[in-house]
Amino acid sequence: AQSVTQLDSHVSVSEGTPVLLRCNYSSSYSPSLFWYVQHPNKGLQLLLKYTSAATLVKGINGFEAEFKKSETSFHLTKPSAHMSDAAEYFCVVTNLYGQNFVFGPGTRLSVLP
Amino acid sequence: NAGVTQTPKFQVLKTGQSMTLQCAQDMNHEYMSWYRQDPGMGLRLIHYSVGAGITDQGEVPNGYNVSRSTTEDFPLRLLSAAPSQTSVYFCASSTTGGDEKLFFGSGTQLSVL
Repeated sequence: AQSVTQLDSHVSVSEGTPVLLRCNYSSSYSPSLFWYVQHPNKGLQLLLKYTSAATLVKGINGFEAEFKKSETSFHLTKPSAHMSDAAEYFCVVTNLYGQNFVFGPGTRLSVLP
Repeated sequence: NAGVTQTPKFQVLKTGQSMTLQCAQDMNHEYMSWYRQDPGMGLRLIHYSVGAGITDQGEVPNGYNVSRSTTEDFPLRLLSAAPSQTSVYFCASSTTGGDEKLFFGSGTQLSVL
């Protein structure tokens, strides 16, 4: 069975400061891990994906995430927040066959001017 | 470049009514799925399909039926709507076999009175 924990339901940062959104997972297999973003009243967009090729994954809009197997973590970071980054972020794990995508509860990111 | 198309975008039902949410994709994806999104709970998998004629239950299947007669279409049926089914519903599709990532429709906001 798989599960995802997003440690913060809400994160607030000032524009121009770093962003850290935390995610821990549980999986019986070597997982594929994703971060998706959902802007208000919009659908979900893929930010980045980890599939064991490299532990540091770069995504769109300056986001990146590091896979740490020993800590079962996949935290999302960005060096400098922008107002347009304000959204809901979901960490997702899937199994070997990509048939069961399990979503975390989400972290709402607020960016203050 | 339609991607994943969901209809309708909004729907209001009375308790006990039935309806079908439509989902179509034009990317020849084998995998299709339905999620519901409720505040603070992320997205929860309702049903999924790995190909025409094959469907399976997800985390929250009760009250919903699906079928997959073609690769392109994956409708979700509510046979007797209940207020607990008030939610935002997302359809998603994906390839299988090693490059899985979900492509989402724009969502259906359903209210059951």
